[in-house]
Amino acid sequence: GDSVTQMEGPVTLSEEAFLTINCTYTATGYPSLFWYVQYPGEGLQLLLKATKADDKGSNKGFEATYRKETTSFHLEKGSVQVSDSAVYFCALIVGQNFVFGPGTRLSVLP
Amino acid sequence: EAGVTQFPSHSVIEKGQTVTLRCDPISGHDNLYWYRRVMGKEIKFLLHFVKESKQDESGMPNNRFLAERTGGTYSTLKVQPAELEDSGVYFCASSLGTGQGFYEQYFGPGTRLTVT
Repeated sequence: GDSVTQMEGPVTLSEEAFLTINCTYTATGYPSLFWYVQYPGEGLQLLLKATKADDKGSNKGFEATYRKETTSFHLEKGSVQVSDSAVYFCALIVGQNFVFGPGTRLSVLP
Repeated sequence: EAGVTQFPSHSVIEKGQTVTLRCDPISGHDNLYWYRRVMGKEIKFLLHFVKESKQDESGMPNNRFLAERTGGTYSTLKVQPAELEDSGVYFCASSLGTGQGFYEQYFGPGTRLTVT
């Protein structure tokens, strides 16, 4: 079946450090790919998405490129801030229902 | 505009008891979804309503779980009787449409269920 794998957390970085959270997937069809973020006490929010190979999703300084050849959708940010501390979920959708990864907790220290 | 709301935010019950979770979607959203995250693992799909009808309930783990959406507005998810392995965070989401294209699902803050 369809599945999403993310790097194990938690990830702890200093402010202004470079962030990479790895995500790989397996899917029977041609999925759309997403990153969702959950800030403390809030619901999941869509961070960015990509619907076809080589598309790059970007938002709030975060980027991820849909790599079909490596079945990956790694999340990157050049300079993280304390306010980026949250849990990040990689997800795919084939049809209407999401398949999520286990989430990666990011803590950014001042 | 109000987002998706869920009640309660946290529930602690004993094994064998009954708990009912409620989700109020964004007004006008016909599609309502339930997901859960157990033991810090991946978030898993439970079921999908279109208005008051169950479109897909393939993710419901067993018959101790009952979801309803009477009138096509808010939804409830009842767990009866609750077991220890039901502990986790239950998320609700709603979206405007389905079909061609992507309709963003807006998630609520979740209900944390603890079964002791």
